Amino acid sequence: GENVEQHPSTLSVQEGDSAVIKCTYSDSASNYFPWYKQELGKRPQLIIDIRSNVGEKKDQRIAVTLNKTAKHFSLHITETQPEDSAVYFCAAANSGYALNFGKGTSLLVTP
Amino acid sequence: DAGVIQSPRHEVTEMGQEVTLRCKPISGHDYLFWYRQTMMRGLELLIYFNNNVPIDDSGMPEDRFSAKMPNASFSTLKIQPSEPRDSAVYFCATQRTGAYEQYFGPGTRLTVT
Repeated sequence: GENVEQHPSTLSVQEGDSAVIKCTYSDSASNYFPWYKQELGKRPQLIIDIRSNVGEKKDQRIAVTLNKTAKHFSLHITETQPEDSAVYFCAAANSGYALNFGKGTSLLVTP
Repeated sequence: DAGVIQSPRHEVTEMGQEVTLRCKPISGHDYLFWYRQTMMRGLELLIYFNNNVPIDDSGMPEDRFSAKMPNASFSTLKIQPSEPRDSAVYFCATQRTGAYEQYFGPGTRLTVT
């Protein structure tokens, strides 16, 4: 089955800096790659996603890139703010249903 | 729309007891997923349904776990007998056919003592 690796497990940045989280996947048939943000004690919420026919997608301060050849995708957050502090999960799926999640990255943005 | 509804929000039980977690999907969503979240193992997919039919239960850890979806508005995840290692947050998520986003419920925090 699909195996998703996520790095780093923890990330600390200063407010205003950029943060990058990287994931790799094993199943070449995977074609949907969402990113979820989970604040402490809350549910995971989708923040951005990308499908395999696109190499990059951007939404304000958040962007995701996908390299299908290398089977890796990354989340980029620019101009980080304290409210960006949370756990971020990447996931991969074939046809967008059963998601296989990475282990998560705990991001801390310090003022 | 009320979103995905889960009950109870917190459950504390003793080892050996039966535990039943409940989920009401968003109206019109025909996919329903049960996930378990722990610090050690992260978010794990346990089972998912499409149109009330179980599609993949390969993530169910063992026979003590069972899930049902008797109709489009209700699903249960049952653990019998419960063990301390079952302590986790259990999330239900739902999705509409043709759409990509899964919507998570607030979760049930289960503690087995």
